[in-house]
Amino acid sequence: AQTVTQSQPEMSVQEAETVTLSCTYDTSESDYYLFWYKQPPSRQMILVIRQEAYKQQNATENRFSVNFQKAAKSFSLKISDSQLGDAAMYFCAYRGNTGNQFYFGTGTSLTVIP
Amino acid sequence: EAGVTQFPSHSVIEKGQTVTLRCDPISGHDNLYWYRRVMGKEIKFLLHFVKESKQDESGMPNNRFLAERTGGTYSTLKVQPAELEDSGVYFCASSPLGLADNEQFFGPGTRLTVL
Repeated sequence: AQTVTQSQPEMSVQEAETVTLSCTYDTSESDYYLFWYKQPPSRQMILVIRQEAYKQQNATENRFSVNFQKAAKSFSLKISDSQLGDAAMYFCAYRGNTGNQFYFGTGTSLTVIP
Repeated sequence: EAGVTQFPSHSVIEKGQTVTLRCDPISGHDNLYWYRRVMGKEIKFLLHFVKESKQDESGMPNNRFLAERTGGTYSTLKVQPAELEDSGVYFCASSPLGLADNEQFFGPGTRLTVL
């Protein structure tokens, strides 16, 4: 079964600085999709960024970018110029090519220090 | 456009009681999913509807859990009788049919506390 591991239960970053959240996964599939979701204190989970495994280029969305290392099965999220609104629980998720369900990590709680 | 909504936002019940959670997906989304997060653990898949049909219910923990999606619109998840280990946050998500890389749109969750 696919597993997703987020080894950092909590992280903190100074406002305007850069932080990297780690995520590793285990799979035997060659095609799959990876996602980072953010859950602010208001609890609605929203998509931050996604990556298709067949694409070598790392995905970027404004201040959010990923470092996707397929061979290492690593999918880290980099947040640049951190803002107070980035404070949230971040979940890494995996979806295989043949199924619909998402596999999530345990989450990383990010605190942004003013 | 309204997002995925869930009701109630919070439920506190005693062991042995019954609770029904409701999810209203985004209009037009045929895929509907239920997930659960037990405190401090990962978010785990429970089941997946395509319209009114159960596509995958491999994540349902036991027969105390019953999910329905009559008419292919909103869905309910009933827990009967509730046990202490059922406490957690229950998330509903929806997505349209089609692309494999579709994101799932999540509701705010229902926090269930079983005493």
